[in-house]
Amino acid sequence: SAVISQKPSRDICQRGTSLTIQCQVDSQVTMMFWYRQQPGQSLTLIATANQGSEATYESGFVIDKFPISRPNLTFSTLTVSNMSPEDSSIYLCSVRDTGTGLSGANVLTFGAGSRLTVL
Amino acid sequence: AQSVTQLDSHVSVSEGTPVLLRCNYSSSYSPSLFWYVQHPNKGLQLLLKYTSAATLVKGINGFEAEFKKSETSFHLTKPSAHMSDAAEYFCVVSPNSGYALNFGKGTSLLVTP
Repeated sequence: SAVISQKPSRDICQRGTSLTIQCQVDSQVTMMFWYRQQPGQSLTLIATANQGSEATYESGFVIDKFPISRPNLTFSTLTVSNMSPEDSSIYLCSVRDTGTGLSGANVLTFGAGSRLTVL
Repeated sequence: AQSVTQLDSHVSVSEGTPVLLRCNYSSSYSPSLFWYVQHPNKGLQLLLKYTSAATLVKGINGFEAEFKKSETSFHLTKPSAHMSDAAEYFCVVSPNSGYALNFGKGTSLLVTP
C-alpha cells in the first residue's frame, strides 16, 4: 500500500487565518482525495484532486474556502482559508490503492490526518 | 445513491466475548463494502473489504464480515474481543463503477476488562 505523510499533524490556529496542509505520497498516484472529520463525526469528502486539472469539489465545499493544489503525482496541498471555530476538524488525505490482497482497486489508503483547532 | 447506516453509535463488550457491529447499506449497483478502524489519534486502517467475490470476508486481527444481499447488511464480527480492539469503526460503501467512498457515522467499540 501507498504510504502517506501529512503535515502538520496538528495545529492551533487563530480565527481569520489560513493554514495549508501538505500531503506527500511515496508513489505516483492519479487521484488524491481530501476528507474532513469534524469532532465526533464521520468522514466527509471535500474534493478530489487530479494532477494537472482543477480539483472537483463536493456539495457544500467551495474552492475559495478550501483551495487545493496538485503540482505533481506525489504531492497535494489543502488550504483552509479564513478559519472559524467551525473549521476545527481532522483533515485527511487519501489515495486509491493499486496493490493486491487486502488492498487493491477501490480501496483508499489514508494519511494519519491533520488535527486543526481554531480558537 | 450509495449509503450505509451503522445501527449502533456505541457498543460495549467484555474482553473475550464476541463483537457484533451492524451495518446496512443502500445501493443501486452491486457495491464494494469496507470496514475501516480508527484508533485514537491514529489514521484509518482498512480491516476488510467485499467486492462481489466470497460473501464471507475475512480481515485482519480476527475480524470478518458477511455480505447478505437479501438483508442489505454487512455486519462486522469477531469471536473474542481484545482490549486493543477498542476504537472507532466505520462501514463504508463505494460503487464499483466509481471511486468516492461514503462513510457511515461510525460505531465506537468499548472493551471492558
